[in-house]
Amino acid sequence: NAGVTQTPKFRILKIGQSMTLQCAQDMNHNYMYWYRQDPGMGLKLIYYSVGAGITDKGEVPNGYNVSRSTTEDFPLRLELAAPSQTSVYFCASTRDSTYEQYFGPGTRLTVT
Amino acid sequence: DQQVKQNSPSLSVQEGRISILNCDYTNSMFDYFLWYKKYPAEGPTFLISISSIKDKNEDGRFTVFLNKSAKHLSLHIVPSQPGDSAVYFCAAGYTGANSKLTFGKGITLSVRP
Repeated sequence: NAGVTQTPKFRILKIGQSMTLQCAQDMNHNYMYWYRQDPGMGLKLIYYSVGAGITDKGEVPNGYNVSRSTTEDFPLRLELAAPSQTSVYFCASTRDSTYEQYFGPGTRLTVT
Repeated sequence: DQQVKQNSPSLSVQEGRISILNCDYTNSMFDYFLWYKKYPAEGPTFLISISSIKDKNEDGRFTVFLNKSAKHLSLHIVPSQPGDSAVYFCAAGYTGANSKLTFGKGITLSVRP
């Protein structure tokens, strides 16, 4: 089992560019989450999904979009990147009705 | 509004001694609490959890205590080892919230050899 994988590991974007952060899990988890972590801060929930075709906003969704066409994949789309989106992004997943989330290694994004 | 608070940003302890990491919460709906450990350039990993129906949960060197009346939990690591040096996040969730978690800012633990 690879667990939760994320690509890329690092990325530098120019202001106004777009990109997709990839996340995949091979544990057949229905629930998946995207977080961002800013320096000295905790993880803040961007979007989450409770199953294929179902997504919902978290605490800080502005500037992002998600889709969930399969159980395995949960990509995060940044449109019109802004410096405020400079952060480390983590994807996580869990089985239904449990709280222990499994995290990917993260994507470090810099917008300049 | 921070619902999960880790007020001490860092803690330094001697190897072999006890580490006590504290966490406070404000949302009375939280009924499940977790601690995650994070090394640099890695994702958080689950360490230990506790349900609100318990006041203590133990797993090897790690014990979590929950005081619901004070809305306070703590993680005890005994004995502390240099490999425990990491950032520790407290997180909380509640039933019916699609397993969403609210995280604290984290505490950086340094264990001195």
